Amino acid sequence: DQQVKQNSPSLSVQEGRISILNCDYTNSMFDYFLWYKKYPAEGPTFLISISSIKDKNEDGRFTVFLNKSAKHLSLHIVPSQPGDSAVYFCAARLNTNAGKSTFGDGTTLTVKP
Amino acid sequence: KAGVTQTPRYLIKTRGQQVTLSCSPISGHRSVSWYQQTPGQGLQFLFEYFSETQRNKGNFPGRFSGRQFSNSRSEMNVSTLELGDSALYLCASSPGTGGFHEQYFGPGTRLTVT
Repeated sequence: DQQVKQNSPSLSVQEGRISILNCDYTNSMFDYFLWYKKYPAEGPTFLISISSIKDKNEDGRFTVFLNKSAKHLSLHIVPSQPGDSAVYFCAARLNTNAGKSTFGDGTTLTVKP
Repeated sequence: KAGVTQTPRYLIKTRGQQVTLSCSPISGHRSVSWYQQTPGQGLQFLFEYFSETQRNKGNFPGRFSGRQFSNSRSEMNVSTLELGDSALYLCASSPGTGGFHEQYFGPGTRLTVT
């Protein structure tokens, strides 16, 4: 049973446009959600997070939205840049369990110049 | 601060052998977790260590084991390697076991089993 799902394996957008990456989860106990970005031959790096008490968190070009009733979160990147091309992983966990995150399978974002 | 380091970066082993991977967390971080990433897959949680004790364990067979030392450095061991163990093994550290903060990942060890 995959508790965190990213249904789009890949996404291609034009530079300057908005990128929207989606993630669904099934475990209603999750109360902290994170997005990581991964380049080839590197480990994932943290991008942005949101706790379950919020529905939006913004950091520069990156915004994460959380819809608890739908068990859905999304990452918006505006404007998209070629350097954003990478694999994006959605992760979820319990606030009390920082060392155990459940990850989605990732979405490969390609931003075309 | 130096980041999370993992050694070796690449490893080729033969089926049936065993392997030990090493991870040094960020200074001051006491929680170390291990994840396995196979092609096209997300990160699968292996286990987490905190203060030299295994705190969480994922759904992997007993061939996968780990430990943590008093300086928070961690090792994971895979015995009787199978072809399906070929993967990127990632180590992540965090300051503690709870709270709203992220994990910091190392570059990973690419294990190939032939």
